Amino acid sequence: QKEVEQNSGPLSVPEGAIASLNCTYSDRGSQSFFWYRQYSGKSPELIMSIYSNGDKEDGRFTAQLNKASQYVSLLIRDSQPSDSATYLCAVKVPQGGSEKLVFGKGMKLTVNP
Amino acid sequence: SQTIHQWPATLVQPVGSPLSLECTVEGTSNPNLYWYRQAAGRGLQLLFYSVGIGQISSEVPQNLSASRPQDRQFILSSKKLLLSDSGFYLCASSGRAISTDTQYFGPGTRLTVL
Repeated sequence: QKEVEQNSGPLSVPEGAIASLNCTYSDRGSQSFFWYRQYSGKSPELIMSIYSNGDKEDGRFTAQLNKASQYVSLLIRDSQPSDSATYLCAVKVPQGGSEKLVFGKGMKLTVNP
Repeated sequence: SQTIHQWPATLVQPVGSPLSLECTVEGTSNPNLYWYRQAAGRGLQLLFYSVGIGQISSEVPQNLSASRPQDRQFILSSKKLLLSDSGFYLCASSGRAISTDTQYFGPGTRLTVL
């Protein structure tokens, strides 16, 4: 069973704080990792992709990957009320001759003004 | 960049009625296409994926089916809807190469079965 686990949440942070979202995965063969943001009633939109160990920064967002420990995280600096959404961790896992994307259940983030 | 269209945006159907949801993709050719369902308070569940015309793989047994009659068209169908088919249906597309393998989602169809 290929699993992707996210903290149960919800997470509430004040405006301007750092929000930290974590995710663990079970398949050591996974090589591609993604964070999606989903506003209520809308479809998921891609925020970050990460393929190598270490940090990847894009504006206020930083994705961190540690393949040895099988976790991937997303940090949101200077959190804004507009960041309030559900964040989905997704891991691409090998399946037969191809791959499929397995999603965590998501973590709901609320940024309070 | 690619654009994914889905319709209808919302749908209310009685139990036992048929279903047809359509997804079309612009701005790319020969994409991998996916159907997901997101039930209320639950995660994304992969239903079907397709790597080419007429090539459909099913992830879970259910009363749904999928077809890909054209390269950039993906259809989700059912002959008789169940209450448990209610949910948010999402079509996604990705490229074939490793550099383009990120999945992007369409706007979704919200289905309510009564």
